[in-house]
Amino acid sequence: DGGITQSPKYLFRKEGQNVTLSCEQNLNHDAMYWYRQDPGQGLRLIYYSQIVNDFQKGDIAEGYSVSREKKESFPLTVTSAQKNPTAFYLCASSRGKGTNEKLFFGSGTQLSVL
Amino acid sequence: GESVGLHLPTLSVQEGDNSIINCAYSNSASDYFIWYKQESGKGPQFIIDIRSNMDKRQGQRVTVLLNKTVKHLSLQIAATQPGDSAVYFCAEKRRDDKIIFGKGTRLHILP
Repeated sequence: DGGITQSPKYLFRKEGQNVTLSCEQNLNHDAMYWYRQDPGQGLRLIYYSQIVNDFQKGDIAEGYSVSREKKESFPLTVTSAQKNPTAFYLCASSRGKGTNEKLFFGSGTQLSVL
Repeated sequence: GESVGLHLPTLSVQEGDNSIINCAYSNSASDYFIWYKQESGKGPQFIIDIRSNMDKRQGQRVTVLLNKTVKHLSLQIAATQPGDSAVYFCAEKRRDDKIIFGKGTRLHILP
């Protein structure tokens, strides 16, 4: 089946620890996105990438880092600099600019701090 | 931009009635708009989209209206069903390719 896979579904972080959330897509999409969702609130953009080996900061990039070494993968690292990391993290992809820009979402990763 | 700490507004609709969910967007240069439905604990699902060169688009039981003059977007759901109960988000694509989401509206279906 084609789609976006996020793993793990649940993740726990200790104080001062970096953790990496995985996002893989087999839709052959050029663009990928990371959003953060806090309880009862909307989605806020962390980072996005329109093409391999390139990415841009979203509205809340501080304390996060990403890489886009392969078209199908866009991992998100939550660093120790992110002081309030507990949230639901959503990854999405689209065909990209100038084509079909509709976002397809993964099922999310719930990150909690121990 | 987003305001942190606000709870989602709620819309309660009788089953079988039509629902209208409204959204104000912020950037007059945005050229593409999307509505999503999100059920608890899941990722958002695409409902319908519209480009800035249109003012109305219809899907199956859903219609999106775009008013660029007042930067307003609405989603109309005909004959609302229990399965329509969810949180609905609008999103806008800006010139820098950021796709920004609105705060969302929780739709409750009354029996």
